Amino acid sequence: SQKIEQNSEALNIQEGKTATLTCNYTNYSPAYLQWYRQDPGRGPVFLLLIRENEKEKRKERLKVTFDTTLKQSLFHITASQPADSATYLCALVTSGTYKYIFGTGTRLKVLA
Amino acid sequence: DTGVSQNPRHKITKRGQNVTFRCDPISEHNRLYWYRQTLGQGPEFLTYFQNEAQLEKSRLLSDRFSAERPKGSFSTLEIQRTEQGDSAMYLCASSPDGYSYEQYFGPGTRLTVT
Repeated sequence: SQKIEQNSEALNIQEGKTATLTCNYTNYSPAYLQWYRQDPGRGPVFLLLIRENEKEKRKERLKVTFDTTLKQSLFHITASQPADSATYLCALVTSGTYKYIFGTGTRLKVLA
Repeated sequence: DTGVSQNPRHKITKRGQNVTFRCDPISEHNRLYWYRQTLGQGPEFLTYFQNEAQLEKSRLLSDRFSAERPKGSFSTLEIQRTEQGDSAMYLCASSPDGYSYEQYFGPGTRLTVT
């Protein structure tokens, strides 16, 4: 069956450290994978997109990697800050469709 | 504010009643999506429109759910004969053409069925 899995447990890290979140998928062939941030009671906000033929993408303190062999994407936040505390969602889009499939999200808490 | 807007923000209804939600996307965006999100889960795809055409609908969506986008601008999502299991956050998102563009989400409509 098709699945997108993210760490279901919350991730707590100290301010200044690098947070690493994982997104694993099975039985999908994504053309694109995206990462979103969601704060409580709000809609998700787009952060980064990576294509199937790209290995890594960066934006300021954010970095995304995409390994289609392992069927995994990693999302890194360097020099984390308490303001980075939120739920982070991965979403993939498969070829031939415009449908976005979201993971369950990982809640990140950055401790001051 | 030129973001995606949704109305109402909150809706409490009794089981068996019909409810309708509205989404106003970013004006130049051709694609419009509806999602449902329950606590602790990611958004679950319901349906999407390319302009006024409804191109895909989730198989999980029962026939009590219907969505329209009559002029390719705003969209409505109607739930008939609501059930307690319909209680969730209903999110709308819009995006320009193409696979590679991000989705812009609205604030959502929280539905509570009592």
